Amino acid sequence: DTGVSQDPRHKITKRGQNVTFRCDPISEHNRLYWYRQTLGQGPEFLTYFQNEAQLEKSRLLSDRFSAERPKGSFSTLEIQRTEQGDSAMYLCASSAKTRNTEAFFGQGTRLTVV
Amino acid sequence: KQEVTQIPAALSVPEGENLVLNCSFTDSAIYNLQWFRQDPGKGLTSLLLIQSSQREQTSGRLNASLDKSSGRSTLYIAASQPGDSATYLCAVRVSYNTDKLIFGTGTRLQVFP
Repeated sequence: DTGVSQDPRHKITKRGQNVTFRCDPISEHNRLYWYRQTLGQGPEFLTYFQNEAQLEKSRLLSDRFSAERPKGSFSTLEIQRTEQGDSAMYLCASSAKTRNTEAFFGQGTRLTVV
Repeated sequence: KQEVTQIPAALSVPEGENLVLNCSFTDSAIYNLQWFRQDPGKGLTSLLLIQSSQREQTSGRLNASLDKSSGRSTLYIAASQPGDSATYLCAVRVSYNTDKLIFGTGTRLQVFP
C-alpha cells in the first residue's frame, strides 16, 4: 500500500453542479478524516469516520455536504449545488486505531467552482 | 477553544543556515502534536509526531520539541537546503472526545542557494 489515495486530483465544475470525491485510506487504518484547505490557510476539519461510523461533523459541513464510508473502506465526499465559496483543496487523511498515532494525508482534490 | 498559531508566517534564508519554526497552542490538553510539510498544490507529508508525554523527536536534520505547559513547539531544521523550501504546518490532536487535528496557518519557508 503506497498511502492515502484521492481521486480526482483536480475538478473544475460550474456553480450549481454536484461533485463527488473519493478517498482510499491506508488499508489497515480504520480512522478516516476529511479536511478543507483554502489558499494561505491551514486545513480545517470537516468530518471523521471510525470504520463506517461518522462520529463527528464540523459546522463547516453544511447541508449541501455529505460524506459516506460504506463498509469502512473507501470514503466519498459529495457537494451538492456547488458555490464559488466551495473552491478549495479537499484533503483526506487516515490513521490507525491507537489514539496517539500519526495521521497520513493524501495529495488532495483541488476543486474550482466557476 | 483550541487555537494554533505559527510564527513567522514566512521566512527566507540562505542555504546552510540553521533555523527554527515556532508553533503555539492555547490549550495544553493535547494528545500529540504533528509537524507536516506541504509543497505548493500538494497534500501534506508528515515529518514528526510528538506524543504529549515526550519532549522532543528527531528525524535526520529535523528536531521537534514540545513544551505542553507553555503551549509551544519548535521545529529545528539544521543545515537548510533549497529542497527544504515548502510550507511547514503544525497541528495538535485535541483531547476530549475527538481525533481531529487543529492546524496552524503555516510557515512558508524559502531556502535560496
